[in-house]
Amino acid sequence: GAVVSQHPSWVICKSGTSVKIECRSLDFQATTMFWYRQFPKQSLMLMATSNEGSKATYEQGVEKDKFLINHASLTLSTLTVTSAHPEDSSFYICSARDVRGSSTDTQYFGPGTRLTVL
Amino acid sequence: GEDVEQSLFLSVREGDSSVINCTYTDSSSTYLYWYKQEPGAGLQLLTYIFSNMDMKQDQRLTVLLNKKDKHLSLRIADTQTGDSAIYFCAERKRTGGSYIPTFGRGTSLIVHP
Repeated sequence: GAVVSQHPSWVICKSGTSVKIECRSLDFQATTMFWYRQFPKQSLMLMATSNEGSKATYEQGVEKDKFLINHASLTLSTLTVTSAHPEDSSFYICSARDVRGSSTDTQYFGPGTRLTVL
Repeated sequence: GEDVEQSLFLSVREGDSSVINCTYTDSSSTYLYWYKQEPGAGLQLLTYIFSNMDMKQDQRLTVLLNKKDKHLSLRIADTQTGDSAIYFCAERKRTGGSYIPTFGRGTSLIVHP
């Protein structure tokens, strides 16, 4: 089946530093990847849609200068949290859509990255 | 309120049936999904139902859709301890140029012996 990996699985950093999270589709190509944020006991909130070779589309209320997204290849998208603060602590999940598409718009989700900012 | 609503917790005994309920808002949603999230893991698509269907069965899983009431349910027969997880209901919505699932908060299913 389609597999999406994320790295790192967890990270602890100091306030003010930047953290990069990678999302890779391992056995398929993904023109579109999505970044979500999940708070405890909350739903997944879509942050941005990442399209290979073009700028990401951010959801309302998400600061694009703070959450930098790069989708340089068909198998890799990165999310960089710049100048992280404790309120950025969360569980970040990516998903990828197979370039071949499907009638159900199936997305394959990564295992998530737990970010803790001290 | 939330676009997709579901209760937060459900506790069942092993071997019993579990029923997780969900309500959604967009009557034009063409697909409705159920995802499963195990601790520390990403989401796994369990099943989906097309909006012109009332019911879909897949082994131990039965999905019921009431379009009039915008109500979706997931029934798990013979619930096992391995079914303990968070179950997310989602409706397909258009965001920008893409169709993506819009999730509820998730229902934590606890299966006890």
